[in-house]
Amino acid sequence: KQEVTQIPAALSVPEGENLVLNCSFTDSAIYNLQWFRQDPGKGLTSLLLIQSSQREQTSGRLNASLDKSSGRSTLYIAASQPGDSATYLCAGWTGANSKLTFGKGITLSVRP
Amino acid sequence: DVKVTQSSRYLVKRTGEKVFLECVQDMDHENMFWYRQDPGLGLRLIYFSYDVKMKEKGDIPEGYSVSREKKERFSLILESASTNQTSMYLCASSEYGGSYEQYFGPGTRLTVT
Repeated sequence: KQEVTQIPAALSVPEGENLVLNCSFTDSAIYNLQWFRQDPGKGLTSLLLIQSSQREQTSGRLNASLDKSSGRSTLYIAASQPGDSATYLCAGWTGANSKLTFGKGITLSVRP
Repeated sequence: DVKVTQSSRYLVKRTGEKVFLECVQDMDHENMFWYRQDPGLGLRLIYFSYDVKMKEKGDIPEGYSVSREKKERFSLILESASTNQTSMYLCASSEYGGSYEQYFGPGTRLTVT
């Protein structure tokens, strides 16, 4: 059974800092790993998806990597801004009839 | 852009009422999902559907049912709402095949009093 862990649960950083959010998963037979952003009271916005054949994906200031052998994914945010404050969730998918397994998220606060 | 819409952003219902939550996607996706999200428990899958009239139970189907009569629409039904079903409900869709990337709607905050 896939389990996804995100530690720490909360993070506070000053504006401008480069930061890394971590995601660990137990089943290395992962098909894809998806990173989401959630603002308070809102739905989830897909940020990046990494398929098992890929090592990383980039979108603007965001870069996500996937290391299946170690069971880890990281989301790198460059030059953080107050507008990046949100909860970031990662989720793993292990096959066509399986479900997306979510971590509980990391709540990021970027201080001006 | 993929768009997933949910019928209500906020809903207040009384215990025992029958509640319908509707979700519509405009990308011709085969797969659709209903989750609930609660503090400390994260997102939990209630039901999913991989085709019209097809459904599969997720982790917490008790007290819920679903309906998928058309490909673009997936409804979650609370047959007799209870206070422990107060939660944020999130709908999602994905294509079958390819990346399976999931796209989420804005959520419905349901309060059962």
